[in-house]
Amino acid sequence: EVQLVQSGVEVKKPGESLRISCKGSGYSFASYRISWVRQMPGKGLEWMGTIDPNDSETKYSPSFQGHVTISADKSINTAYLQWTSLKASDTAIYYCALIVVLRGPFDPWGQGTLVTVSS
Amino acid sequence: DIQMTQSPSTLSASVGDRVTITCRASQTISSWLAWYQQQPGKAPKLLIYTASTLESGVPSRFSGSGSGTEFTLTISSLQPDDFATYYCQQYNSYSPTFGQGTKVEI
Repeated sequence: EVQLVQSGVEVKKPGESLRISCKGSGYSFASYRISWVRQMPGKGLEWMGTIDPNDSETKYSPSFQGHVTISADKSINTAYLQWTSLKASDTAIYYCALIVVLRGPFDPWGQGTLVTVSS
Repeated sequence: DIQMTQSPSTLSASVGDRVTITCRASQTISSWLAWYQQQPGKAPKLLIYTASTLESGVPSRFSGSGSGTEFTLTISSLQPDDFATYYCQQYNSYSPTFGQGTKVEI
């Protein structure tokens, strides 16, 4: 079974750094791209960026470029989303999702990671 | 960026109703459109891709249609488990975008 399993709930203070993870299983990790999606409380879905784990080529949404870093370690089948200085407005659920074909929908999705940033 | 606009934002319906949600793209996306269902507290789930292809395991009461800039998701007979929020997504470009969502409520 193809599966993405994300790291657990995080509670952080403004200004702190954070890295959350997304581990793939049941498929060849380097073969398919992984996207990250933000969902702020009570709001819709926003695409943040996509990484090709094979060569770490990454494309960011202009809305998130420079605010987060997406990376991947294909030796341990894991993708990451990282912040160097969190803000309260980063409070959200973050999902990773798989893109199996060159031009394709997101499927499956990870279970989501809740990040709360509060002083 | 390609903008996706869904209507309505909220839809009140009853079990057994036929429900239609519309998604409009700001420029042509051919058939590169997906529909997702999100239950409260859960991750989104793919229902339909390439505008009209039903994902494996998704009930046949769900159907999608359209191409270019106008798309619809239809639920032929609403079931209790279908009360959720639905999102369209274009993946025509390498910057995919989502509609703002349609909440289907009782």
